[in-house]
Amino acid sequence: DQQVKQNSPSLSVQEGRISILNCDYTNSMFDYFLWYKKYPAEGPTFLISISSIKDKNEDGRFTVFLNKSAKHLSLHIVPSQPGDSAVYFCAASVGDDKIIFGKGTRLHILP
Amino acid sequence: DAGVIQSPRHEVTEMGQEVTLRCKPISGHNSLFWYRQTMMRGLELLIYFNNNVPIDDSGMPEDRFSAKMPNASFSTLKIQPSEPRDSAVYFCATPGGGELFFGEGSRLTVL
Repeated sequence: DQQVKQNSPSLSVQEGRISILNCDYTNSMFDYFLWYKKYPAEGPTFLISISSIKDKNEDGRFTVFLNKSAKHLSLHIVPSQPGDSAVYFCAASVGDDKIIFGKGTRLHILP
Repeated sequence: DAGVIQSPRHEVTEMGQEVTLRCKPISGHNSLFWYRQTMMRGLELLIYFNNNVPIDDSGMPEDRFSAKMPNASFSTLKIQPSEPRDSAVYFCATPGGGELFFGEGSRLTVL
């Protein structure tokens, strides 16, 4: 059973608009959430994280929102740029325990 | 630091052959994770070590898979015998500073 779910395999967004990537989780014990970005033929790279004590964390064009009651988090990218085209993985962990990843969402930024 | 180093980057082998994937973690990082990426299942956690000791191997798909970490600077993931369905990209990662650092992955193709 998948504990971290990314239900959209792919998403296409016009350059300059907002990209919203969604993630749901089932384990209420998760207290740390991360987003990773992956280009072809490269390893995933860390993008942004959020602790369960917060509901928002912002870093430049990237903002992660956490809704604990809904067990849902989202990554907002604004404005979207061509270099943002990649696969985005949502991940979660309980403390220092193993980090569980979703299946990923492929983001296409259209010119 | 050179980051997490994996070898080989690409491996093509025939069904039934033994495959050994190698990982050199970032120096000083005490935990190490092995993940497998496929289109169908995304990034799956196979096994993780803490201070060279396997903590959770529940993600290892079958007895054909085994992993070792004989010291803090080296880990191997072995598949014996390999099967076509093992074809995937295998990533090694080590945590630090609240994020996971991934290697570039080993792309395995079993014919």
